Amino acid sequence: KAGVTQTPRYLIKTRGQQVTLSCSPISGHRSVSWYQQTPGQGLQFLFEYFSETQRNKGNFPGRFSGRQFSNSRSEMNVSTLELGDSALYLCASRGVEQYFGPGTRLTVT
Amino acid sequence: AQKVTQAQTEISVVEKEDVTLDCVYETRDTTYYLFWYKQPPSGELVFLIRRNSFDEQNEISGRYSWNFQKSTSSFNFTITASQVVDSAVYFCALSEIVTGTASKLTFGTGTRLQVTL
Repeated sequence: KAGVTQTPRYLIKTRGQQVTLSCSPISGHRSVSWYQQTPGQGLQFLFEYFSETQRNKGNFPGRFSGRQFSNSRSEMNVSTLELGDSALYLCASRGVEQYFGPGTRLTVT
Repeated sequence: AQKVTQAQTEISVVEKEDVTLDCVYETRDTTYYLFWYKQPPSGELVFLIRRNSFDEQNEISGRYSWNFQKSTSSFNFTITASQVVDSAVYFCALSEIVTGTASKLTFGTGTRLQVTL
């Protein structure tokens, strides 16, 4: 069974730009969660999608948004990037357990 | 609000030593899940264990064992006979239960374990 895949793995963007990250969950999993990991704030929950509906949201500004498609794949978008958005973005696929993908490392310059 | 505290920022041990990673949590929920994840230098979070709040039995899996004590709100993780490959950052996490499954995870700050020869 294939694991959670995230694309791209690495990304460099400039302040003010926007970025879209993609996550494909484990086959059969209908729930996808997103987390941001930074050295200063640690691992923080962004949002969770289940069957194309956002079910839970963390304390992040509206610049962070996401969506889920009918095949359970999910995307998250960050608009008007700031230097502080540089982080490892992790996607979790949830069945009984939560399994994480390898992450997308975003660098904002 | 949920909170997870991992007071040990970094631990260094010599191979074959036993090491215990501490985790203390706070929650107002009566039912919840507790997790441990391992994050090697590659960055991926590797699932190690999930424990239900109503199941206080300790668990052993090979060199790994977990001690869950609801009375002290602790969920400690012990590695017996540590190996260099165990070097990683270990995270304890807590989640509420939504429709019978784990939802949003609240993570501790992690404990970096360094195992040397």
